[in-house]
Amino acid sequence: DVVLTQSPLSLPVTLGQPASISCRSSQSLVHSDGNTYLSWFQQRPGQSPRRLIYKVSNRDSGVPDRFSGSGSGTDFTLKISRVEAEDVGVYYCMQCTHWPRTFGPGTKVDIK
Amino acid sequence: QVHLVQSGAEVKEPGASVKVSCKASGYTFTDYSMNWVRQAPGQGLEFMGTINPGSGSANHVQKFQGRLTMTRDTSTSTVYMELSSLTSDDTAVYYCARTNQMGVWGQGTTVTVSS
Repeated sequence: DVVLTQSPLSLPVTLGQPASISCRSSQSLVHSDGNTYLSWFQQRPGQSPRRLIYKVSNRDSGVPDRFSGSGSGTDFTLKISRVEAEDVGVYYCMQCTHWPRTFGPGTKVDIK
Repeated sequence: QVHLVQSGAEVKEPGASVKVSCKASGYTFTDYSMNWVRQAPGQGLEFMGTINPGSGSANHVQKFQGRLTMTRDTSTSTVYMELSSLTSDDTAVYYCARTNQMGVWGQGTTVTVSS
């Protein structure tokens, strides 16, 4: 199975400051169709996960543009340009290039 | 608007089975795969398996071999996840999520396994 490693696992941030989460894969996430199926999810306390980014860098409808995704191959990053209070939660990367789908362990973002 | 509504919380004894439903609306049910993901208390997300509502074919993670059954009812646009031989380790919130890229999620169903 593909192993996704996230860092850091805990990220205290200051409101208005940027934040960055890394997701590294144990193997390339480039699919045979040429796409890279790496997504990012936000899970606020007590809520279902919500997808923010799909195929590395495509933002879902309604997701603030302060969220951005980048990367290629095995290394990916989620960036929040200016953290707001509503961004508190756990962030997961997930790959669906390979079977079975796998998630990273999650990065807990909270306010300093 | 795409919407996934799951069945209510369940409490089961060890050794029993549980069947969770996920009713879809707002799109053509048979056009998109459905995944099941679970989350144990205080833990991360764990992928369980996928069903193709059009064909009914399903694939699950090896870990759940022999215990997990995913089915669908096209007349009601509902997918089902049944997990048997429950243990306390199966206590979790179970989610359905649409398509391989999991763009839409249900609200979750809490399953508690306790004697």
